[in-house]
Amino acid sequence: VQLVESGGGLVQPGGSLILSCAASGFSFNNYWINWVRQAPGKGLVWVAIINTDGSTTGYADSVKGRFTISRDNARNTAYLQMNSLGADDTALYYCARDVAGSPHSWGQGTLVTVSS
Amino acid sequence: DVVLTQSPVSLPVTLGQPASIACRSSQSLVNSAGNTYLSWFQQRPGQSPRRLIYEVSKRDSGVPDRFSGSGSDTDFTLKISRVEAEDVGVYYCMQGSQWPYTFGQGTKLEIK
Repeated sequence: VQLVESGGGLVQPGGSLILSCAASGFSFNNYWINWVRQAPGKGLVWVAIINTDGSTTGYADSVKGRFTISRDNARNTAYLQMNSLGADDTALYYCARDVAGSPHSWGQGTLVTVSS
Repeated sequence: DVVLTQSPVSLPVTLGQPASIACRSSQSLVNSAGNTYLSWFQQRPGQSPRRLIYEVSKRDSGVPDRFSGSGSDTDFTLKISRVEAEDVGVYYCMQGSQWPYTFGQGTKLEIK
């Protein structure tokens, strides 16, 4: 099982970014996917979740209306579209496969820095 | 939203001694189907989180049996029977019984 995040980088306040989570080693279309973030030196914060066919999504209040989670099962990839980014969104973003109601297999994360 | 409060925030432990971390929820974590989705994660320095325990007390594959989880409703505990050097890191509880999922603030385990 492997999850590899990409797409992070430096973005200006108010800007947008799309993160990708490429999965391998398991049947991607059978698992819900989470995004979880961790600001530098801080704790874990759950961001979003998507079900197996993309028809159901859930978000943390702090990102609702700004972030959109999606997936492409043909490409074994999940995405996190992030808009209206602010300094509080600066963090390491992890994707993780959901097993029995919680994130199980985690990637190494991709760093998003929001700064002018 | 469900608020999870962990205690203690910092946990100095002597090698070979037991350790215990509490996680209290602001509301019952028993969902409408009767399941309780409370998990525990370990994050070693510089590493991604690793799940240790799910559904309160089920140990993930490869997790040493010195780790155990217990509790119900709003009060949960992670116990390490004999702390080893490799257990240093931050431990988080997390609830998946209702959206949004939420994490506790973390407990930093260090060796005395």
